[in-house]
Amino acid sequence: AQSVAQPEDQVNVAEGNPLTVKCTYSVSGNPYLFWYVQYPNRGLQFLLKYITGDNLVKGSYGFEAEFNKSQTSFHLKKPSALVSDSALYFCAVRDPLNTGFQKLVFGTGTRLLVSP
Amino acid sequence: GAGVSQSPSNKVTEKGKDVELRCDPISGHTALYWYRQRLGQGLEFLIYFQGNSAPDKSGLPSDRFSAERTGESVSTLTIQRTQQEDSAVYLCASSLGPVGTEAFFGQGTRLTVV
Repeated sequence: AQSVAQPEDQVNVAEGNPLTVKCTYSVSGNPYLFWYVQYPNRGLQFLLKYITGDNLVKGSYGFEAEFNKSQTSFHLKKPSALVSDSALYFCAVRDPLNTGFQKLVFGTGTRLLVSP
Repeated sequence: GAGVSQSPSNKVTEKGKDVELRCDPISGHTALYWYRQRLGQGLEFLIYFQGNSAPDKSGLPSDRFSAERTGESVSTLTIQRTQQEDSAVYLCASSLGPVGTEAFFGQGTRLTVV
């Protein structure tokens, strides 16, 4: 069964500094990977995805993520953090070889706190 | 509608009562998901549908929980004999179908069992 790990409960970064939110995955086939963001009292918003092709994918709000097959990772990055980026971030994975191939499994989430 | 719609947005119920939570997915989306999110916690997978069938019900916490989907559209999550530990936000999402497509989430139903 597929799974996702987000090893950090919280990431703290100063505004203007680069940020990284970590995600590792486990699947039997080639993964389909997603990042979502949840602002306080709001639903989850899609940020970006990796399906195939270029290992570096770009998404909304200046975020990008790098797929690394050898390290089974899909870390979320942004070159310069904003205070408004403070939110809860979730990594998710689908395993297209899984019998229930549409099943979307989320990590436990990482809270990003950007200080002024 | 343009997005995933969930109703009610808030529900307060007495312990032991049954509740029904509704999800209207984006039109044409064949995959539909239910998740539970306790306060300050991550997303707990409950069940998902491909069309009207549910290939994976492994996330349902107990036999008090059930879900159905009809017409490849509306889904209902039913919790019988609610307990205080059922208090959470219940999130519904839908996706177009191909495995590479992202899921879109509703705003959730906040369930409080008193």
